[in-house]
Amino acid sequence: IVMTQSPATLSVSPGERVTLSCRASQSINSNLAWYQQKHGQAPSLLISGASTRATGIPARFSGSGSGTEFTLTISSLQSEDFAVYYCQQYNSWPSFGGGTKVEIK
Amino acid sequence: QVQLQQWGAGLLKPSETLSLTCAVYGGSFSSYYWSWIRQPPGKGLEWIGDINHSGSTNYGPSRNSRVTISVDTSKNQFSLKLSSVTAADTAVYYCARRQPITIFGLVRPGYMDVWGKGTTVTVSS
Repeated sequence: IVMTQSPATLSVSPGERVTLSCRASQSINSNLAWYQQKHGQAPSLLISGASTRATGIPARFSGSGSGTEFTLTISSLQSEDFAVYYCQQYNSWPSFGGGTKVEIK
Repeated sequence: QVQLQQWGAGLLKPSETLSLTCAVYGGSFSSYYWSWIRQPPGKGLEWIGDINHSGSTNYGPSRNSRVTISVDTSKNQFSLKLSSVTAADTAVYYCARRQPITIFGLVRPGYMDVWGKGTTVTVSS
C-alpha cells in the first residue's frame, strides 16, 4: 500500500493552524498512525487508529479520516512542533508516507 | 517505562553482514511484536521486518532474502542481520515495539509506540 503525504513542506508561523494530509492507495480502514520526528531523533508516536492520541500528546494534535483519506491537524503550532511528520498504515505490511516537514515561516 | 537500547557495528564494507541488537527494558517482552525500521540519509522511513516472542517473523518484500530477524527471550533482546550490504543499505536503523491490534478477529502487529534511539550504519569501501 502506497502512502502519499502532502504537502512535502509547510512553512508556518507559530500559533497558526496546520493541516497535513495523508492518502492511502487502497482502503486501510482506520489502521493509520502519525509520527513526529525532530532533527536527529527517532520518530515518536502521536496518533494511532487514525484519531487516538498517544499518551502524553497535547490536545492541539488531532487526527481524522478513514478509508483512504486522513488528516493530522495541529490547532495552534508551538515552537516545539517544528518537525517532520509521517503517516504509516498498518492494515497490511507497514508502509510510511514520505513525510511533511513543518518549518518556521 | 519501556526503553529500547540498540547497538551494533556502524561501519561496514560492501558484501559484509550488518548485525544489530535491540534490548528491551522495563516492560513485557512476550506481549508485543518487535520491529526494525531504517531511514536512509535525508529520506523517509522504511519497515524492514518484525518478530514476536515465539520467533514468528514478517519481512518486507524488498529485502526478504537478505534479512534475518531473531529473538532471544532469555535476554529480552531481538536482532537484525542483513547480508551482502551495499552503499544503498547506508541508513539509520531503528528498533521499535509494535502494539498488537485486532483486525477482522485476528491479532496482528499494529503501530510502533516505542522506538530505540537509532544506530547509524555506513557502508563504504
